[in-house]
Amino acid sequence: RKEVEQDPGPFNVPEGATVAFNCTYSNSASQSFFWYRQDCRKEPKLLMSVYSSGNEDGRFTAQLNRASQYISLLIRDSKLSDSATYLCVVNGAGTALIFGKGTTLSVSS
Amino acid sequence: GAGVSQSPSNKVTEKGKDVELRCDPISGHTALYWYRQSLGQGLEFLIYFQGNSAPDKSGLPSDRFSAERTGGSVSTLTIQRTQQEDSAVYLCASSPAMAGELFFGEGSRLTVL
Repeated sequence: RKEVEQDPGPFNVPEGATVAFNCTYSNSASQSFFWYRQDCRKEPKLLMSVYSSGNEDGRFTAQLNRASQYISLLIRDSKLSDSATYLCVVNGAGTALIFGKGTTLSVSS
Repeated sequence: GAGVSQSPSNKVTEKGKDVELRCDPISGHTALYWYRQSLGQGLEFLIYFQGNSAPDKSGLPSDRFSAERTGGSVSTLTIQRTQQEDSAVYLCASSPAMAGELFFGEGSRLTVL
């Protein structure tokens, strides 16, 4: 089983739609969880950390389910500028941060 | 500059040659990571340095790959006897803490002919 797995997509949605991405991780001892965003041919940048109680940042909501070992990202009222690849990041078997392969989102007008 | 700096930004080499990629992390950041990303693929973890601890080398794909971090600052990733499958963008990231936010450089694009 891969350490961090994501549905690669692509997710093609119209502006204003709500879209959700899931990510599963294999190491039950993982403590740190993040969502990063990567635009085409750019380096990844932190979108938000994921906390045990769930957290929200504007249109973005992240949740953690430790029992099932998955994290989710919900984007409400999608904008054209949300088009990007969303990367799930979890600290792995050691302490290194491991990236999922990413989920591609395309928002169209 | 205040960000992570990587050099060279582009490197074209012939199969069998050695290459060195350099990363200057943000001053004061104790953690430093190397990842590589092939075209259309995700980030593959290579190696992780945290302070003075022994590095986590578990992601290095073969013994042709090595990395060092001198004085807790600058890091060099060395690939010996390059192969075509080594072609990728090599990304360096630093963080002020273990498992903290990663700040990435713009990457070094390696092409092995």
